[in-house]
Amino acid sequence: AQTVTQSQPEMSVQEAETVTLSCTYDTSESDYYLFWYKQPPSRQMILVIRQEAYKQQNATENRFSVNFQKAAKSFSLKISDSQLGDAAMYFCAYRTQGGSEKLVFGKGTKLTVNP
Amino acid sequence: EPEVTQTPSHQVTQMGQEVILRCVPISNHLYFYWYRQILGQKVEFLVSFYNNEISEKSEIFDDQFSVERPDGSNFTLKIRSTKLEDSAMYFCASKVLAGGTYYGQYFGPGTRLTVT
Repeated sequence: AQTVTQSQPEMSVQEAETVTLSCTYDTSESDYYLFWYKQPPSRQMILVIRQEAYKQQNATENRFSVNFQKAAKSFSLKISDSQLGDAAMYFCAYRTQGGSEKLVFGKGTKLTVNP
Repeated sequence: EPEVTQTPSHQVTQMGQEVILRCVPISNHLYFYWYRQILGQKVEFLVSFYNNEISEKSEIFDDQFSVERPDGSNFTLKIRSTKLEDSAMYFCASKVLAGGTYYGQYFGPGTRLTVT
């Protein structure tokens, strides 16, 4: 079964600085998708960015980018020019192949942005 | 932008009572999911639903749980006899696969279930 590990329970960053959140995963599949979801205090799950495993190019969405290292099974999220509104829980997720294609989540990283 | 909606936002119920959580997925989506998140813990998969039947369920999804798509828009999760440990945030999600491109699952705002 696939597992997702987020080794940083909490991180903090100064406003306007850059922060990187770590995620590793374990799978025997060769093709899959990875995601980062943001969960603000409202607890809504917001899709931040996705990465297809067959693409070597790292995904970017405005200030958010990933560093996808397939061989190392690593998928980190970089937030540039951090804003107060970025403060939230961030969950890394793996989409299983076949079947229902459910998401498997890590335990999350709580990001604090300091003014 | 279309979004997944869920009602109610917060449900308080007594242990042993039945609850129904409702979701309206995005209209052209074909796959539907329920996840739950116990406070302070990670999001866990409960069940997936496609073509009017369950496609996969987790070990959490026991006989006390059921899902239904009673009409063309709603997707419901029923818990027959709630337990204290069912207290959690329940998220509905849906996804569409269009032309081979996978856009990810879109989550609703969640229903907070409190069992007393």
